[in-house]
Amino acid sequence: SQQGEEDPQALSIQEGENATMNCSYKTSINNLQWYRQNSGRGLVHLILIRSNEREKHSGRLRVTLDTSKKSSSLLITASRAADTASYFCATGAGGYNKLIFGAGTRLAVHP
Amino acid sequence: GAVVSQHPSRVICKSGTSVKIECRSLDFQATTMFWYRQFPKQSLMLMATSNEGSKATYEQGVEKDKFLINHASLTLSTLTVTSAHPEDSSFYICSAKGTGSRYNEQFFGPGTRLTVL
Repeated sequence: SQQGEEDPQALSIQEGENATMNCSYKTSINNLQWYRQNSGRGLVHLILIRSNEREKHSGRLRVTLDTSKKSSSLLITASRAADTASYFCATGAGGYNKLIFGAGTRLAVHP
Repeated sequence: GAVVSQHPSRVICKSGTSVKIECRSLDFQATTMFWYRQFPKQSLMLMATSNEGSKATYEQGVEKDKFLINHASLTLSTLTVTSAHPEDSSFYICSAKGTGSRYNEQFFGPGTRLTVL
């Protein structure tokens, strides 16, 4: 299966700063989703953006999608130490909307 | 709503034994469930798609005879790792496909950490 790429692989910032993570993918998609995973835990769904949408907001999260470039970005504004986690993009495709995950970005937010 | 549980959360077994992992949707019916594997500091790799009442569809490179999947009801899918070996040690995560307006979402279980000695 193909996986998208995410950059950066790791990001270290101070509380209050914004964090931007990028995701690129290779195939046609139904939608693109962002998930968060705390160390050794399951995944938490953050936001879903459909292929015909360009931008979506949810609280401190802002997601963009550029299907012509096959890329997406996740912006977390005013970051908090509790935002420390790994963030994954996942593209949904096919009848079952199977998810193919990117490599992930490990975000560390320092107090 | 949309809670998925996994059992056990952690299992240690000897090489050559089989281990069964359960995935349950607690408050909704899941026609489709997915099984993923995640190695340390890596991403999730989809292993198979499990549909209630039919055979699972495995991703390329995943041995169907080694990773047996059964989706016998709308709330339960099981993954059995047969004749486990140390290289099968990993974090196994299941998800259940949402319904209604959340049809395109997947709800993830907390994962099962398998260690094969």
